[in-house]
Amino acid sequence: AQTVTQSQPEMSVQEAETVTLSCTYDTSENNYYLFWYKQPPSRQMILVIRQEAYKQQNATENRFSVNFQKAAKSFSLKISDSQLGDTAMYFCAPHVTQGGSEKLVFGKGTKLTVNP
Amino acid sequence: EPEVTQTPSHQVTQMGQEVILRCVPISNHLYFYWYRQILGQKVEFLVSFYNNEISEKSEIFDDQFSVERPDGSNFTLKIRSTKLEDSAMYFCASSARYEQYFGPGTRLTVT
Repeated sequence: AQTVTQSQPEMSVQEAETVTLSCTYDTSENNYYLFWYKQPPSRQMILVIRQEAYKQQNATENRFSVNFQKAAKSFSLKISDSQLGDTAMYFCAPHVTQGGSEKLVFGKGTKLTVNP
Repeated sequence: EPEVTQTPSHQVTQMGQEVILRCVPISNHLYFYWYRQILGQKVEFLVSFYNNEISEKSEIFDDQFSVERPDGSNFTLKIRSTKLEDSAMYFCASSARYEQYFGPGTRLTVT
């Protein structure tokens, strides 16, 4: 994947509500991995969730889940029961393995604010 | 839980000076990476390292940059002659295969 699009530069949600962050990507590969990373104000990059492209079942990690649509090359993140600590930048990052390389390609991010 | 560590957390240097950023990856990981993030922008890939050699580098990773794994545990990024535009957060990451774990970053400020 060389192009990753996160179309929502900023979003806000009320505490305890649900929010969905969108991501689309471009790849010619059939088997690959997709990740969401969270970057709070401390700027630490924290792995939130991963999805293997060969799996049809959407990944879930506690309050975080994804909606993976392989044909559409879409990989959205749903946060349920939002908490104040979820306030952060969220980056979608497919893992590229083309030509023997191994790297993450990041989108521009979505800044999520959870309001009390 | 094992984690990636980086030192220093913040480095201030003058333009033209050499800097070395240090990383200790997770011990059983085989793949190592450096990324950078200019303030307010997305995270950009710099270089990947596997089996004691560079496996890929980006256009950003020019002759001013180099990486080393000097002693089997540390993984360093050297910038020979820093420029103002090198000011950024530099992240080290490591992986056993696909899932990359990031260190806390080194904030480099070039004055």
